[in-house]
Amino acid sequence: DGGITQSPKYLFRKEGQNVTLSCEQNLNHDAMYWYRQDPGQGLRLIYYSQIVNDFQKGDIAEGYSVSREKKESFPLTVTSAQKNPTAFYLCASSNRQGTSGANVLTFGAGSRLTVL
Amino acid sequence: GDSVTQMEGPVTLSEEACLTINCTYTATGYPSLFWYVQYPGEGLQLLLKATKADDKGSNKGFEATYRKETTSFHLEKGSVQVSDSAVYFCALTQGGKLIFGQGTELSVKP
Repeated sequence: DGGITQSPKYLFRKEGQNVTLSCEQNLNHDAMYWYRQDPGQGLRLIYYSQIVNDFQKGDIAEGYSVSREKKESFPLTVTSAQKNPTAFYLCASSNRQGTSGANVLTFGAGSRLTVL
Repeated sequence: GDSVTQMEGPVTLSEEACLTINCTYTATGYPSLFWYVQYPGEGLQLLLKATKADDKGSNKGFEATYRKETTSFHLEKGSVQVSDSAVYFCALTQGGKLIFGQGTELSVKP
């Protein structure tokens, strides 16, 4: 079955540690996205990538980093510079702009990060 | 910049009641509009979409009409079920990415 796999589902981190959240898709989508979800604030875009080896900052990129070395993978690193990292993180993918299905996002099940 | 505003939740209804969740937007140009649904503990799923003015999106008994004159895309369902309990997000396109509203939690009681 095609879809997006995020791991781990739950992650605990001590302050000052970097953590990396995995996102893998087998939908052959060009575009991938990372969103952060906090209660009452909806989804906020962290980073997105329209094509391999290219990515852009979203609205709240500070304290995060990404890479896009392969089409199917878009890992997110939450660095120690992120002041309030406890949140639910959602990865998504879509067809590229200008094609059928562009902007129709398929989401993973999410990763919940808690900083202790 | 572009933005989406949804009615605040939580919304609590009895089974078979009518549902309306308001969504208004601010955008330059002519964005596509979407409703996504998030069931407990899961990611979001596309519920319906509309790509131009006066289009009506529909799915699973839910409907929403793209109203350019009122910049709205309200979600409606004539008879809700307990299984509709979820968080609903309105969204629009902007420069190759989606902008989401803050979400509206719906709780349907038997």
